[in-house]
Amino acid sequence: GIQVEQSPPDLILQEGANSTLRCNFSDSVNNLQWFHQNPWGQLINLFYIPSGTKQNGRLSATTVATERYSLLYISSSQTTDSGVYFCAVSNTGNQFYFGTGTSLTVIP
Amino acid sequence: DAGITQSPRHKVTETGTPVTLRCHQTENHRYMYWYRQDPGHGLRLIHYSYGVKDTDKGEVSDGYSVSRSKTEDFLLTLESATSSQTSVYFCAISGADWALDEQYFGPGTRLTVT
Repeated sequence: GIQVEQSPPDLILQEGANSTLRCNFSDSVNNLQWFHQNPWGQLINLFYIPSGTKQNGRLSATTVATERYSLLYISSSQTTDSGVYFCAVSNTGNQFYFGTGTSLTVIP
Repeated sequence: DAGITQSPRHKVTETGTPVTLRCHQTENHRYMYWYRQDPGHGLRLIHYSYGVKDTDKGEVSDGYSVSRSKTEDFLLTLESATSSQTSVYFCAISGADWALDEQYFGPGTRLTVT
């Protein structure tokens, strides 16, 4: 399967700070998603971004498929951004492969 | 939000008891997945389905079986529950246009095996 590495594993920010989360993957992909798992355990779709750049409010994501990485940018962080951020990829098969996540804590 | 429900949402059971978890979708997506989530392991695939009666194993399938008799329902069965199967179980769907695309998750089921 595809190996997915996320960095950093843990991140603590002051409210208002910016951050960049990274997802590296070991093979070519045609499907990449970013999820946020909130403190209540719910998995929320952030971006479906197999290539290119997307923005949604304070969040944006960029995937450079040829170099096998994706970045998630969080600007002006808020306490509600706390939780775990997962990257998931897939290629020609039927499965998704997940990284182990980045745990983000935003301090007021 | 995608229409995915899981039942039960919480369950406590004893070692050796069979347990069935249900995932129901109203989206007519082709693919359905069962994952377990444990501290330090992220999300691990148990089994998945790529159509009615078409299923395959994931990386942690031992001790689990699945069935999909209709598009909207995907059942996960623990034949004889063990304490190592205490976990949070998530169902997911994909394939709105029948090809693998964006994945959506259900709310999860917290299972405790005593």
